Amino acid sequence: DGGITQSPKYLFRKEGQNVTLSCEQNLNHDAMYWYRQDPGQGLRLIYYSQIVNDFQKGDIAEGYSVSREKKESFPLTVTSAQKNPTAFYLCASSSNSLGDEQYFGPGTRLTVT
Amino acid sequence: GQNIDQPTEMTATEGAIVQINCTYQTSGFNGLFWYQQHAGEAPTFLSYNVLDGLEEKGRFSSFLSRSKGYSYLLLKELQMKDSASYLCAVRDTSGYSTLTFGKGTMLLVSP
Repeated sequence: DGGITQSPKYLFRKEGQNVTLSCEQNLNHDAMYWYRQDPGQGLRLIYYSQIVNDFQKGDIAEGYSVSREKKESFPLTVTSAQKNPTAFYLCASSSNSLGDEQYFGPGTRLTVT
Repeated sequence: GQNIDQPTEMTATEGAIVQINCTYQTSGFNGLFWYQQHAGEAPTFLSYNVLDGLEEKGRFSSFLSRSKGYSYLLLKELQMKDSASYLCAVRDTSGYSTLTFGKGTMLLVSP
């Protein structure tokens, strides 16, 4: 079955620690995205990648980093520089055709205390 | 930049029809998407409009007016499982496939 996987579903970390969230897709999509969702805030774009070995900052990239070494994978690292890291993180992918929708993974809920 | 507005919450009764509005301002419009999101789950795609008019897909329809910067999602024959958040998202003409999302409309369907 084709789809996007994110693991783990729930993640707990202590303040000051970096943490990496995984995102894998087998849909053969070129583009991948990371969003953050907070209550009442909707989805906000963190980083996106249109093609392997290239990525761009989204609206709220500060305190985050990504890599795109393989087409299937787009891990997100939440660094200790991110002031409010507790949130629901969603990964998505799409083809680069304008009419094609983004497909979302199940999300990772990160709690930092 | 883009600005997208949707009502925060709506309520409706099972079997009824509800219309969720979305207004947007963008420097270059290149498509509008509607997604459904149940609490704690991933958004799922509902519809896509790039030209003016109505797109119908089963119980769900979506309308777009580019001149007015306006779209709505129409849900017919409401079911309890339709209780969810509905997200409006706009793509602009920057050349990338990124979307800007509204804050979502939480719909509560009651018996």
